[in-house]
Amino acid sequence: QVQLQESGPGLVKPSETLSLNCAVSGHSISGDHWWGWIRQPPGKGLEWIGSIHRSGTTYYNSSLKSRVTLSVDTSKNQFSLRLSPVTAADTAVYYCARGGYNSGSYFNYFDSWGQGTLVTVSS
Amino acid sequence: EILMTQSPATLSVSPGERATLSCRASQSVGINLAWYQQKPDQVPKLLIYGASTRATGIPARFSGSGSGTEFTLTISSLQSEDFAVYYCQQNSNWPLTFGQGTRVEIK
Repeated sequence: QVQLQESGPGLVKPSETLSLNCAVSGHSISGDHWWGWIRQPPGKGLEWIGSIHRSGTTYYNSSLKSRVTLSVDTSKNQFSLRLSPVTAADTAVYYCARGGYNSGSYFNYFDSWGQGTLVTVSS
Repeated sequence: EILMTQSPATLSVSPGERATLSCRASQSVGINLAWYQQKPDQVPKLLIYGASTRATGIPARFSGSGSGTEFTLTISSLQSEDFAVYYCQQNSNWPLTFGQGTRVEIK
């Protein structure tokens, strides 16, 4: 059974860089699933940040595209998020998640999620 | 970008009653529509994908329908554990987009 675990600093200063890793266990990231990041500001809804394939192909939220970089490390079976520069509006719980698979095709709904990590942007 | 609009924002339902949640897409997404349930302080959980296919382990009281731009999540007989926020998400086109959520609360 796949498990995802986010890790990274819980506090980031404004104008600096938010960096998170998502370690995947129970499933090889070298397959053809897509892997995504989603965030949720306190008390608000879900916002997709971006998705990456093990080939390195990425897609990003239009509103974040200029500040976001996703990467994948198949040797460590993990993928990563960088967001820079950050403001207080980037304070949120950040989730990593796996894209779905059904009947021989890969899809971009999210069937497995990490527990999430709260990142606060504050000086 | 495809805009996903959910209605109502809040739905008050008594236990045992039926709940009907709506999700509308600003352009056709075919059947590439998923529903998630999120309870307070918990991780979102996939309920439905492909507009109508229940994810593994999801009870039969949850059903999804629709295609194109209009979708519905129905909970046939609400149980206490079903009171939560529900989100729809289109996975037809990049960028992926979520609806703003519908809160199902106890009446």
